[in-house]
Formats: sequence, structure tokens, C-alpha cells
Amino acid sequence: GAVVSQHPSRVICKSGTSVKIECRSLDFQATTMFWYRQFPKQSLMLMATSNEGSKATYEQGVEKDKFLINHASLTLSTLTVTSAHPEDSSFYICSAREPIEKTQYFGPGTRLLVL
Amino acid sequence: GENVEQHPSTLSVQEGDSAVIKCTYSDSASNYFPWYKQELGKGPQLIIDIRSNVGEKKDQRIAVTLNKTAKHFSLHITETQPEDSAVYFCAARETGGFKTIFGAGTRLFVKA
Repeated sequence: GAVVSQHPSRVICKSGTSVKIECRSLDFQATTMFWYRQFPKQSLMLMATSNEGSKATYEQGVEKDKFLINHASLTLSTLTVTSAHPEDSSFYICSAREPIEKTQYFGPGTRLLVL
Repeated sequence: GENVEQHPSTLSVQEGDSAVIKCTYSDSASNYFPWYKQELGKGPQLIIDIRSNVGEKKDQRIAVTLNKTAKHFSLHITETQPEDSAVYFCAARETGGFKTIFGAGTRLFVKA
């Protein structure tokens, strides 16, 4: 299947700092990418839909000024957690939508720990 | 909007036995149904999918069935192995639809 990479795989930061997570589709161009958050033993919670060349669409309850999304190219979307706090600690997963069959492929996830 | 329910939430089977996970969906316009496997600490991996013009699809030990009339679909894993232990998510999406709606997940334990 198609490959989606995510970097970093894990990050520890101090409260109040910002953290950027990158999501790349390695073998296809993705006009649409998705960002999810997953709490332990729970399902995937869609945070926002990232559209290349336009503003991201955020799900209800997700603060767009807190979670900045940039989709500057057809293979790269970034999620920046601004002024991170301990409650932002979580597993963040991106997925990219393959353009022909529109199948979603997931990245390996980024584990964020805010101290 | 679409709603996907998944059962059971936890499933424990003996190695070599079969495992069945069932999902129902609410939107009759949905016509694409992927299944993902998520191992601990990793992102979900697509393992099989089915479109509404097909009633069944098989890939080695994994099969998926779809009943459009009843709006439910199932994942069947035969001859289970310990490495099948993971969380499995079903999902549903409308043709050309923007969002894929996921079930809550099934935690499968395969006991050696």
C-alpha cells in the first residue's frame, strides 16, 4: 500500500512551547490530508482536514489557533501545537487521501508529551 | 451524517480459531468500507476494503462481507495467529465523500 511518513515519532517538550509535526505522502500526491488525535484505548478523533493551498477545516471543539495546520504542498502537511500544555499530550496521527481511489493511508503517529 | 457502530469492543480467541468483527452503518449512501489494523504505538494500517458493488472480498486469511440491505459489514479472520492481536477499526465513506467515519474499534487478543 501507499506510504505516509510522520516526523517526529515522539517528542517531549516543556509547557508553553510549540511543537511542529510533519506528515508526508511518499508515493502519491495528496490534496487532502487529515489529522487525528487518539487517547489511550480509544478510537480516532478527527481534528481537522488539511486542504492543499487552502485553509484547513476544523472539527467542532478543536481550536484552530491552538492547532495550526499548513498544507503547503501536495505531499506535506504540518500540524503545530502552539503553547502546548500537559493536556495536549496525546498520540497524533495523520492520514493522506490517495487521489484516485480516495483511500486513506495513515502515518505511524507522533507521541507528544508535554511536561 | 454517517454513524458506524462496531462490535465487540474486545474479542479474545485461541490461536487457530476464527475471529469475526461486525459493524453497522446508518447512511445508505455509503459505499466504501475499509478495515484498519492498529498495533500498539503505531498508526492504523489498511488491511482490506470493500465497495458496495461487491458482497464479499477475500485476501488470504482475511475476508470482508457486506450486506447493503441490512447496512452491515463484517471482518473475518481465519486461523488466527498471535500477531493478529491488535485493534481493528471498521469505517464507512460515501462515494466521493470527504470524510471517512470510523467505528470505535475492537481489541483482538489471540492466545497462543
